Amino acid sequence: AQSVAQPEDQVNVAEGNPLTVKCTYSVSGNPYLFWYVQYPNRGLQFLLKYITGDNLVKGSYGFEAEFNKSQTSFHLKKPSALVSDSALYFCAVRDNGNTGKLIFGQGTTLQVKP
Amino acid sequence: DADVTQTPRNRITKTGKRIMLECSQTKGHDRMYWYRQDPGLGLRLIYYSFDVKDINKGEISDGYSVSRQAQAKFSLSLESAIPNQTALYFCATSDFGRGSYNEQFFGPGTRLTVL
Repeated sequence: AQSVAQPEDQVNVAEGNPLTVKCTYSVSGNPYLFWYVQYPNRGLQFLLKYITGDNLVKGSYGFEAEFNKSQTSFHLKKPSALVSDSALYFCAVRDNGNTGKLIFGQGTTLQVKP
Repeated sequence: DADVTQTPRNRITKTGKRIMLECSQTKGHDRMYWYRQDPGLGLRLIYYSFDVKDINKGEISDGYSVSRQAQAKFSLSLESAIPNQTALYFCATSDFGRGSYNEQFFGPGTRLTVL
């Protein structure tokens, strides 16, 4: 069965420091991976995706993610965190069938402190 | 995403009541989805639809039904609401792209409380 795990419920980082939000996945075949962010009282916003090609994917708001096939990971990163980055982050993998369904991780709350 | 709207945004109801949540989109996408979000569980798929005549159950469809009234409209109904259906509900859309790996676009969510 396909699954996504986000091992940290919460990540705390000081403003200006680099941040990493972890994600590991389990799929058969090639993974199609996504990161979404949810700000309070808002829907999910797409950040970036990995389909194929370069292992380092760049997305919105200065975020990037590194795909590592051997470690089955797709960690979200940002070189310098902002207080406004504080939100709930979801990693997702596309279902292997032709449905377009996404399987989501549990979510990780990112808290950036001034 | 303003192109995907949900009504109502908040709803409090009582056990046994029938509730309908509505979703509309102006993105012209064929595919629409309903998810529920619970703390610590992420988002789980309730139903999805490829077009008006193609509706499919997701992983947690029990207690829910849907209607795809048009390409742009996809409604979720709780025929007889129960307290464990208290959650944040999201509608999403996606394009039928090659390989079906296009991202989904989410509405702002409906917070439903069942007393």
